[in-house]
Amino acid sequence: DTGVSQDPRHKITKRGQNVTFRCDPISEHNRLYWYRQTLGQGPEFLTYFQNEAQLEKSRLLSDRFSAERPKGSFSTLEIQRTEQGDSAMYLCASSPVRTGAGYTFGSGTRLTVV
Amino acid sequence: SQQGEEDPQALSIQEGENATMNCSYKTSINNLQWYRQNSGRGLVHLILIRSNEREKHSGRLRVTLDTSKKSSSLLITASRAADTASYFCATDAGSARQLTFGSGTQLTVLP
Repeated sequence: DTGVSQDPRHKITKRGQNVTFRCDPISEHNRLYWYRQTLGQGPEFLTYFQNEAQLEKSRLLSDRFSAERPKGSFSTLEIQRTEQGDSAMYLCASSPVRTGAGYTFGSGTRLTVV
Repeated sequence: SQQGEEDPQALSIQEGENATMNCSYKTSINNLQWYRQNSGRGLVHLILIRSNEREKHSGRLRVTLDTSKKSSSLLITASRAADTASYFCATDAGSARQLTFGSGTQLTVLP
């Protein structure tokens, strides 16, 4: 297991279309996070899973966004009816439960809505 | 929302010089972490300092934490061109352990 994998790396979609991103975390990490990052800014928290349970969602996560982590392994983030403002880098990270451990981030999925 | 604010926003130095970046935050924290991000890539965890620690070292990195001032600094000694990247501080303040990131410092190390 070499790290957190995200797929696809890049996605260009037309406004109004639905998109789905996938994240495969480090297998022994119980916690999985989704962040969004726009140009020149730091990542902003979207949602967090411990195993298969979605424990927290940001107010940034409108009803067009949904995330799942079936069986506590990989996770998907779906954006319905995409808008130009959704254009950003979507980052996934995982971490173990123990305190004092940093996150391991994936390389991200860059979404462009045209 | 961003809790941490890095200073400066951009820093340009010559190879071999030291680089210092500062981070201020607003609420009580469990720990503070520093990450590096190369252009268009994910973030890489550099170092974590707990709220009861004042200084920590890792290789060419030195981090300090002053909880009374709610501030931290990251020092990179003997910088290299490969250190060129954006550096973010992130605070861990709650039981959910979600991190809150600052807006970053763009470091450019000139060869």
